Amino acid sequence: DTGVSQDPRHKITKRGQNVTFRCDPISEHNRLYWYRQTLGQGPEFLTYFQNEAQLEKSRLLSDRFSAERPKGSFSTLEIQRTEQGDSAMYLCASPDARTGNTIYFGEGSWLTVV
Amino acid sequence: SQKIEQNSEALNIQEGKTATLTCNYTNYSPAYLQWYRQDPGRGPVFLLLIRENEKEKRKERLKVTFDTTLKQSLFHITASQPADSATYLCALTPYASGGSYIPTFGRGTSLIVHP
Repeated sequence: DTGVSQDPRHKITKRGQNVTFRCDPISEHNRLYWYRQTLGQGPEFLTYFQNEAQLEKSRLLSDRFSAERPKGSFSTLEIQRTEQGDSAMYLCASPDARTGNTIYFGEGSWLTVV
Repeated sequence: SQKIEQNSEALNIQEGKTATLTCNYTNYSPAYLQWYRQDPGRGPVFLLLIRENEKEKRKERLKVTFDTTLKQSLFHITASQPADSATYLCALTPYASGGSYIPTFGRGTSLIVHP
């Protein structure tokens, strides 16, 4: 257990529906990353928060995706009007507060769009 | 374009042997390189970090080398065990202003250790 919690662990949704994933990072870590991973591929960066500020967004994050981190604590990733290509594991990561070098990942939220 | 290459074919070895995994990169100037282990359906777990000015790092049965001239890192597991079977991911982190330090991952190499 890395201390990073993600919910739900699995989600099956119909195409066109909206889904939201939640991440609770390690409490004293002020940085938070979201990644996406498909089968046979490595994690791909989506977005980065420092406290409540969203500082970087990948071009993978289309306008159907939105992420928030109110009050710099937990974060949510919402996908609107889901498409089959959104099926993936969505990973939240919490870099070590002191050095930022060690990154602690959650167990991921699996999304299947049918 | 920037590329991180890890062998897409699974590496099969016998228990007790040394497993060696390779990570090659192009068009990258990493501040440091990390190796992660990932089990099926789970998030990656950090193993080791090596900086650009370091040649080698060790942790128990694990050893990482980093050659910035060859643009290559080797990851070794000595006295391998079936429990070491997993996918191993290489990640490069560039120098970044503002402290973002966002790592980019390779696709990983699957290691299978046979008893």
